[in-house]
Amino acid sequence: KNEVEQSPQNLTAQEGEFITINCSYSVGISALHWLQQHPGGGIVSLFMLSSGKKKHGRLIATINIQEKHSSLHITASHPRDSAVYICAVRWGSGISGGSNYKLTFGKGTLLTVNP
Amino acid sequence: SAVISQKPSRDICQRGTSLTIQCQVDSQVTMMFWYRQQPGQSLTLIATANQGSEATYESGFVIDKFPISRPNLTFSTLTVSNMSPEDSSIYLCSVTRFLAPQETQYFGPGTRLLVL
Repeated sequence: KNEVEQSPQNLTAQEGEFITINCSYSVGISALHWLQQHPGGGIVSLFMLSSGKKKHGRLIATINIQEKHSSLHITASHPRDSAVYICAVRWGSGISGGSNYKLTFGKGTLLTVNP
Repeated sequence: SAVISQKPSRDICQRGTSLTIQCQVDSQVTMMFWYRQQPGQSLTLIATANQGSEATYESGFVIDKFPISRPNLTFSTLTVSNMSPEDSSIYLCSVTRFLAPQETQYFGPGTRLLVL
């Protein structure tokens, strides 16, 4: 069964700390997404990765295709970063769309950043 | 980008009744996805709604329980039929924008359903 594993499940940090959330998957993928879900709020797409590294503000996402592993880093964390962070993958290879359109989601990491 | 709205945002329903959730996208999309997020859990795909054809359901979800309509490229509905307390969840619709090599996921704000 194709699986997506996230760690840790829960993470509490002090404001300013460097945060790392990990995501591992079992077989080859065509895309990996990092999503953010605030309590009571909707889900926002942070990154889509197929290789390498992306940075947006204080957020950095990396992926290692050989090791089937991705990390989401938050530098200088802030209480407003408190949310659930979800890793989702699209299995298979090849072009976007077609039959490889479905996503499989990790269980999420609940991040709490205290002031 | 894509802006997605859902109605209702929340509802409390009695066992045995049905609720229809509407999803409106601000631009045309080929596929729309319906997810369920049970308390404390991640998202589970219910079905993929394609315009002009029957929805494709995932294992464990059936059309009689979750009928879906997709009358055009910007709108879809999901009905939760003959509800039981186990159906209490957040229901979300989602679309994917493909612009190679990038793809972006967009989610509606969700419908919080409580079944008594």
